[in-house]
Amino acid sequence: GDSVTQMEGPVTLSEEAFLTINCTYTATGYPSLFWYVQYPGEGLQLLLKATKADDKGSNKGFEATYRKETTSFHLEKGSVQVSDSAVYFCALSDLRGAQKLVFGQGTRLTINP
Amino acid sequence: DTAVSQTPKYLVTQMGNDKSIKCEQNLGHDTMYWYKQDSKKFLKIMFSYNNKELIINETVPNRFSPKSPDKAHLNLHINSLELGDSAVYFCASSQELRNIEAFFGQGTRLTVV
Repeated sequence: GDSVTQMEGPVTLSEEAFLTINCTYTATGYPSLFWYVQYPGEGLQLLLKATKADDKGSNKGFEATYRKETTSFHLEKGSVQVSDSAVYFCALSDLRGAQKLVFGQGTRLTINP
Repeated sequence: DTAVSQTPKYLVTQMGNDKSIKCEQNLGHDTMYWYKQDSKKFLKIMFSYNNKELIINETVPNRFSPKSPDKAHLNLHINSLELGDSAVYFCASSQELRNIEAFFGQGTRLTVV
């Protein structure tokens, strides 16, 4: 079945550091890919998405590129802020498969001032 | 206005009790979901409904019964609660059944004692 694998957390960085959170996926069809963010005590919010190969999703300084050849959708940000501290989830939905989001295990990110 | 709202936000109850969690969305979406987040933050789908019709039942024990009185509401009723049911339950909605971009509620933290 479809699956998503994220890099193990937690990840701790200093403010203004460069961030990469790795995400790879397995899907039988043609998935759309997403990054969701969960701030402490809140629900998930869509951060960015990409619906086809080579698409780049971007929002709030975060970017991720849909790489079909490496089945990856790594999240990057050039300069993180304390307010970026949260849990980040990579997810996919397969257009040909079951109509649901499949999530990675989440990566907890802490940014220190 | 809250797009997807769940009540209650916290629920503490004893084993064996029956409880319900309510969810409402004002986005005009056709599809609603229930996800369960365990203590390790792992998210997994439980149910999805499209226009009040059950689409996905992801091998959830039949103690869990979703009810959708209309497409803006999807409630979750749980019978005979067990310790292992303790988790955060998220309601979500999306416009489309495929290529899912889901909007999540703030979650209900259920603690069974």
